[in-house]
Amino acid sequence: NAGVMQNPRHLVRRRGQEARLRCSPMKGHSHVYWYRQLPEEGLKFMVYLQKENIIDESGMPKERFSAEFPKEGPSILRIQQVVRGDSAAYFCASSPGQMDQPQHFGDGTRLSIL
Amino acid sequence: SQQGEEDPQALSIQEGENATMNCSYKTSINNLQWYRQNSGRGLVHLILIRSNEREKHSGRLRVTLDTSKKSSSLLITASRAADTASYFCATSTGTASKLTFGTGTRLQVTL
Repeated sequence: NAGVMQNPRHLVRRRGQEARLRCSPMKGHSHVYWYRQLPEEGLKFMVYLQKENIIDESGMPKERFSAEFPKEGPSILRIQQVVRGDSAAYFCASSPGQMDQPQHFGDGTRLSIL
Repeated sequence: SQQGEEDPQALSIQEGENATMNCSYKTSINNLQWYRQNSGRGLVHLILIRSNEREKHSGRLRVTLDTSKKSSSLLITASRAADTASYFCATSTGTASKLTFGTGTRLQVTL
């Protein structure tokens, strides 16, 4: 009965490289959310997806960031041409999508940009 | 931008004491949730209170919600060292919608 699985737990990239973060939601959950957390701060929403659809991307930077949740496989958050300011912890959450159901979080991917 | 603001930002108490954290928000909500985050880990859901509820209990946790003041409080009774963590409130404005998090309260419980 696995929870939300994120990998890798830690990712180091050099400026200009690409970062791919993966998230497998809890079994039975079809709604996935990505959040970013800077040190000593709360989480900030980035994007909300259902299978093959982006529902709300109001928190996503306009450039270099993209997300997908394909019919098969995990959700992917992709950051192209990373910069130092992308260093943060990225959390994925999932929910069954029903009213008043909590979101369940993974342990996050800590992205460090050299 | 963050909707919620928690206070205090940091709280240090001794084991056995009660800890109270407050959260304020700005817009109408569907529900308000409290999460705990241990250092280096993800968030763990503690309790959800709907907009038409005023108080909710779960074990040593008690949450209140005052929609007229747009505020909520989390009370942890008889605290333990294992309660040491950061606590965040988060608001939801619709079905399956994104969560908007507060800035968090860092709780330190000492022996």
